[in-house]
Amino acid sequence: DAKTTQPNSMESNEEEPVHLPCNHSTISGTDYIHWYRQLPSQGPEYVIHGLTSNVNNRMASLAIAEDRKSSTLILHRATLRDAAVYYCILMEVWGDMRFGAGTRLTVKP
Amino acid sequence: ETGVTQTPRHLVMGMTNKKSLKCEQHLGHNAMYWYKQSAKKPLELMFVYNFKEQTENNSVPSRFSPECPNSSHLFLHLHTLQPEDSALYLCASSQDRTAMNTEAFFGQGTRLTVV
Repeated sequence: DAKTTQPNSMESNEEEPVHLPCNHSTISGTDYIHWYRQLPSQGPEYVIHGLTSNVNNRMASLAIAEDRKSSTLILHRATLRDAAVYYCILMEVWGDMRFGAGTRLTVKP
Repeated sequence: ETGVTQTPRHLVMGMTNKKSLKCEQHLGHNAMYWYKQSAKKPLELMFVYNFKEQTENNSVPSRFSPECPNSSHLFLHLHTLQPEDSALYLCASSQDRTAMNTEAFFGQGTRLTVV
């Protein structure tokens, strides 16, 4: 299985941007980069995904490095509700979602 | 509301009991998954079904028995569990196992306590 590396934890101030990094140096050309987050006492929820180009949606932006060996999830204005564990996952052909430890994001008021 | 419903939300069972967890989705998805999340640990993939066929069993003990009668329903039958099986059990669904370009949807989970 392809692997990802994320910092264990990060802190942010409310209403400031947050950049959550993910390294995936062994990514193959057909792997998609997915991000999910898990709020306390809930199941994970989808945030965003991409293949090569940067992606934007109502929740976040995904910036993918040109060599695809790293990516960054960008929350443009963090709110208290964004406090969660964020998971970066590589989706392979016939692969299944396998979660690492993720990054625990703390948002300070 | 994610479209994936798990019941019950909480379950306490003795080590000699038999119980079942239920997962239901009406999203038209053909892949369904069981995950286990123990305290302070990442999610562990347990079982995968694709078009009602089990395609993955990640060395899960036989005291956990999955069943997928149709693409909309997934069960996890539990018997003679151990206290270390206490965890949050999460169900998820996705379009199918080859759909890397689509998202998965998770239920709220069943919080299981084995006493």
